[in-house]
Amino acid sequence: DADVTQTPRNRITKTGKRIMLECSQTKGHDRMYWYRQDPGLGLRLIYYSFDVKDINKGEISDGYSVSRQAQAKFSLSLESAIPNQTALYFCATSQTSQGYTFGSGTRLTVV
Amino acid sequence: AQSVTQPDIHITVSEGASLELRCNYSYGATPYLFWYVQSPGQGLQLLLKYFSGDTLVQGIKGFEAEFKRSQSSFNLRKPSVHWSDAAEYFCAVGAAPGAGSYQLTFGKGTKLSVIP
Repeated sequence: DADVTQTPRNRITKTGKRIMLECSQTKGHDRMYWYRQDPGLGLRLIYYSFDVKDINKGEISDGYSVSRQAQAKFSLSLESAIPNQTALYFCATSQTSQGYTFGSGTRLTVV
Repeated sequence: AQSVTQPDIHITVSEGASLELRCNYSYGATPYLFWYVQSPGQGLQLLLKYFSGDTLVQGIKGFEAEFKRSQSSFNLRKPSVHWSDAAEYFCAVGAAPGAGSYQLTFGKGTKLSVIP
């Protein structure tokens, strides 16, 4: 099994719908992150969490919310999806400054 | 604020040729620098990282990178490119160990194409 698992891998949803992307990890890391990737823009940080009780906004948090249900689980929600939220979403974990471990990504299309 | 610039959006090289991908960073303290690779449809894999010590660091898959503080650069190199190296490469900068947040800032990426 992968260290960082994201579900679903692909999702198509309609404008205005609520959608949740889930991330779970077996690394035992305290810190978890959500990034979105858009062609030509690289990865941009949406939210990050240092532990279950610590949630922080990243540079592009508007339109998103997160929940850290447990040390191993960090979910990202789009309360009312819009087309410009179509992107590739990555979850990542870290424990020290040794770099991140990334999930395989969720490709989200909002139509 | 920290930032990373990868000047080359797309590079094409012939198989067997040498490769250098450029990365310039801006960071207010001692940086922790990374290179990641993303193959099509995959997540990001760590190639190498640098915090201190020898400014030439070796990574996986035959890659190396050189840290040049005076130029705020951390360029990635490979002596002989293989077709399987075709991917997108991301440079990232973060805080030094023990300096607090481990949040990384990524460059916009350089897409590498390899001609057989």
